Amino acid sequence: DIQMTQSPFTLSASIGDRVTITCRASQSISSWLAWYQQKPGKAPKLLIYKASNLEYGVPSRFSGSGSGTDFTLTISRLQSDDFATYYCQHSNGWTFGQGTKVEI
Amino acid sequence: QLQLQESGPGRVKPSETLSLTCSVSGGSISTSSYYWGWIRQPPGEGLEWIGSIYYGGNTYYKSSLKGRVTISEDTSKNQFSLNLSSVSAADTAVYYCARASITIIGVDVNVVAIDYWGQGILVTVSS
Repeated sequence: DIQMTQSPFTLSASIGDRVTITCRASQSISSWLAWYQQKPGKAPKLLIYKASNLEYGVPSRFSGSGSGTDFTLTISRLQSDDFATYYCQHSNGWTFGQGTKVEI
Repeated sequence: QLQLQESGPGRVKPSETLSLTCSVSGGSISTSSYYWGWIRQPPGEGLEWIGSIYYGGNTYYKSSLKGRVTISEDTSKNQFSLNLSSVSAADTAVYYCARASITIIGVDVNVVAIDYWGQGILVTVSS
C-alpha cells in the first residue's frame, strides 16, 4: 500500500501568515491527491482535488501544487476560519495522511 | 442537494458485529459516476478509509480489515451498509459514509476526491 506522510504534525501561525503543509507519497501517485479541512466535531471538507484544482466555493487563498510524490497545500493569508486540521489523501488509493493541525 | 446520513447502534459489545447504514437522498447510488464508501476516525486521531462500493456492487476494502469488513448496497432503498465483525475497543470511532467522484481514463476508473460526507456517527465498542 502507498503511504502518505504529512509534515508538520502541528503548525502554529498567526492571522495573515502564509502557511504551507507538505504531503509525501511513498511512491508516485501522479496527481491523484486531494486535500481536506476538518474542524472539531465536523466531517472533513474537500478543498483541493487532483493536486491543484480548487473545489467550487473554496476561497482562492487555498492552493495546491505538486505531482508524483511531493505535494503542498498553501494558505496565502491565514484567516481565523482556517484554524483546523488538514489531511491529504491519495484519492485513487484512498489512503489519508496523518493530518496537520493549524493552530494559533 | 445530496445528503448522506449514517444510522445504527452507538454501542457494540466486543467480539460482536458493528452494522451501520448510510441513507442517501438527493441522488441515486445506482450510478457509475461515483464510489460510495466508509471512513472512520478514532477519537483524537486521523482518518482511516475502511472500504468502498462501486456500481454493480464491486467492493474494495482496506487490506488490514479484509476478512472482517463487508460493504453492501440496497439500491431499492438507496442505501449502502457496513458490517465489521469481531470488533474490539480499537474499532471505537466516528464512522462516516461518503461519496467519491471519479473520472474514467480509457478503461480505468480513477477516484478524484470525496466530495460529500455524512455527519458521522460515534460507535463505541464496550461491554
